[in-house]
Amino acid sequence: DAGVTQSPTHLIKTRGQQVTLRCSPISGHKSVSWYQQVLGQGPQFIFQYYEKEERGRGNFPDRFSARQFPNYSSELNVNALLLGDSALYLCASSFILWMIRTDTQYFGPGTRLTVL
Amino acid sequence: QQPVQSPQAVILREGEDAVINCSSSKALYSVHWYRQKHGEAPVFLMILLKGGEQKGHEKISASFNEKKQQSSLYLTASQLSYSGTYFCGTATSYGGATNKLIFGTGTLLAVQP
Repeated sequence: DAGVTQSPTHLIKTRGQQVTLRCSPISGHKSVSWYQQVLGQGPQFIFQYYEKEERGRGNFPDRFSARQFPNYSSELNVNALLLGDSALYLCASSFILWMIRTDTQYFGPGTRLTVL
Repeated sequence: QQPVQSPQAVILREGEDAVINCSSSKALYSVHWYRQKHGEAPVFLMILLKGGEQKGHEKISASFNEKKQQSSLYLTASQLSYSGTYFCGTATSYGGATNKLIFGTGTLLAVQP
């Protein structure tokens, strides 16, 4: 079975540009979460989408936006890039069942974004 | 509030044991443990729920102390493949379709031959 896939693998942008990152969840998973991981730190929550609706938002500026498509894939957009946006962007998918108390998140390989 | 992990780093010889701790200042619903190797994505190890039992998989196990809002990851008879950075991810509630995780500060584990 295919795991979570992300594209592109690496990306180099300059300050002020815009970037779109893509994620495909594990087949059957309807929830996608986005995390930013700066070198040497743990992942930081950006967004969560479930059934195409935003279910959670972390402490990130409005330059960050996301959406989920009918096939449950997702895009993360970042506008007006800053040097500090350089990081590994991770997508995690989970199969949420209302009656089951676990919601394990499985991470994709990430997109390494470098802002020059 | 980001959970605090201890120790920050640990070096082991193959076959030795290690304990990694994760402490939160908030009441937790669940604790998720991940291992991340350099340049790779975090890999899920196990999840512990409030009111749940201690979990284990072969030589890696974990516990969750609800009173102290602490979780510990136990690695016994460590192998070279255990090397990496261990993160705990914490959830303070189960709100149906929301599953935001707050990750800890990380513990770097290096296993030497």
